[in-house]
Amino acid sequence: AQSVTQLDSHVSVSEGTPVLLRCNYSSSYSPSLFWYVQHPNKGLQLLLKYTSAATLVKGINGFEAEFKKSETSFHLTKPSAHMSDAAEYFCVVSPTDKLIFGTGTRLQVFP
Amino acid sequence: GAGVSQTPSNKVTEKGKYVELRCDPISGHTALYWYRQSLGQGPEFLIYFQGTGAADDSGLPNDRFFAVRPEGSVSTLKIQRTERGDSAVYLCASSLNGGGQETQYFGPGTRLLVL
Repeated sequence: AQSVTQLDSHVSVSEGTPVLLRCNYSSSYSPSLFWYVQHPNKGLQLLLKYTSAATLVKGINGFEAEFKKSETSFHLTKPSAHMSDAAEYFCVVSPTDKLIFGTGTRLQVFP
Repeated sequence: GAGVSQTPSNKVTEKGKYVELRCDPISGHTALYWYRQSLGQGPEFLIYFQGTGAADDSGLPNDRFFAVRPEGSVSTLKIQRTERGDSAVYLCASSLNGGGQETQYFGPGTRLLVL
């Protein structure tokens, strides 16, 4: 069965510093992987997705993620955090049609 | 263009009552999904429609939960004999054709509280 593990439930950074949100996946074959963001009282929004093309995926709002098969990882990064990045982030794997979500990482950004 | 819409945005009901939650997908999207998000958790898959038919209902927790999409657009999630454990945010998503690589677009959710 496919699954994802988000290694940190909470991450805190200062505005202007780099962001790293960690995700490991488990899959018997090359998966489709996504990162979604959920701002308070708002719907889930797709940040980026990996579908077996380029291993470095660029998303919206300056986020990017790198698919590393040897490490079974799909970590999300951003060079410089902004206050508006504070939200819940979900790493997601899609074995067929349904999405399987991780437990989420809450990102706090301090001024 | 219009995104996925869900009604009501909030629903409070009493244990044992019946509720219906509605989802209006993006126009032209053939695939529609229901997920449930409990407090502090990631969303969990419930059911997937391709057109009018349920292609995968493996996530429905028990036979109190049922969903329909009679005309291949709007979908209704129905919960009978509600229990306090059903309290959660119910999310609907749609995608153009279905398939694991497609982007699913989510609605704002219906927050269900069972007293």
